[in-house]
Amino acid sequence: DIVMTQAPLSVSVTPGESASISCRSSKSLLSSKGITSLYWYLQRPGKSPQLLIYRMSNLASGVPDRFSGSGSETDFTLKISKVETEDVGVYYCGHRLEYPFTFGSGTKLEIK
Amino acid sequence: QIQLVQSGPELKKPGESVKISCKASGYTFTDYAMNWVKQAPGNGLKWMGWINTQTGKPTYADDFKQRFVFSLETSASTAYLQINNLNIEDTATYFCTRDATFDYWGQGVMVTVSS
Repeated sequence: DIVMTQAPLSVSVTPGESASISCRSSKSLLSSKGITSLYWYLQRPGKSPQLLIYRMSNLASGVPDRFSGSGSETDFTLKISKVETEDVGVYYCGHRLEYPFTFGSGTKLEIK
Repeated sequence: QIQLVQSGPELKKPGESVKISCKASGYTFTDYAMNWVKQAPGNGLKWMGWINTQTGKPTYADDFKQRFVFSLETSASTAYLQINNLNIEDTATYFCTRDATFDYWGQGVMVTVSS
């Protein structure tokens, strides 16, 4: 199974500042079709997860452009610029390259 | 708008079975696969598998091959997850989520297994 490792475990951010979350995969997520199969999700407290970023760097519909995704074949970053209070929650990375689909253990974002 | 609406919370005893539903609306049900994800209390997300909504063929992750059954009622745009012979470790919230991108999620069903 592909292991997804996230860091840090938690991050505390002042509103208006930026935050970055790292995700590393144990195997390249670049498919033979040239697609990097890495996704980011946000689970707000008490809510279902929501898709933020698909295929490493594409913003999902309705997601503010304060969110951005980047990376290589195994190392990925989610950046949130100008953090707002509504960004509080747990961020998960996940891959869809092969079965089983796996997720990172999550990064909790808190507001200072 | 696209919605996945799941059934309500369940309280079961060990050894019992539970069947939870996920009703889709706002899109053509058979155009997208349906996945199931488990979240144990205070834990992260674990993919359980998916069902092909055109053929009804399920694919299970290894940890979910024994007591778990995915099924469909296509005429009602509804997917089901049945868990048989429940045990304490099945206590969790179960989400349905659309497509391989997991672009839409149900609100989750809390299943509590307690004697």
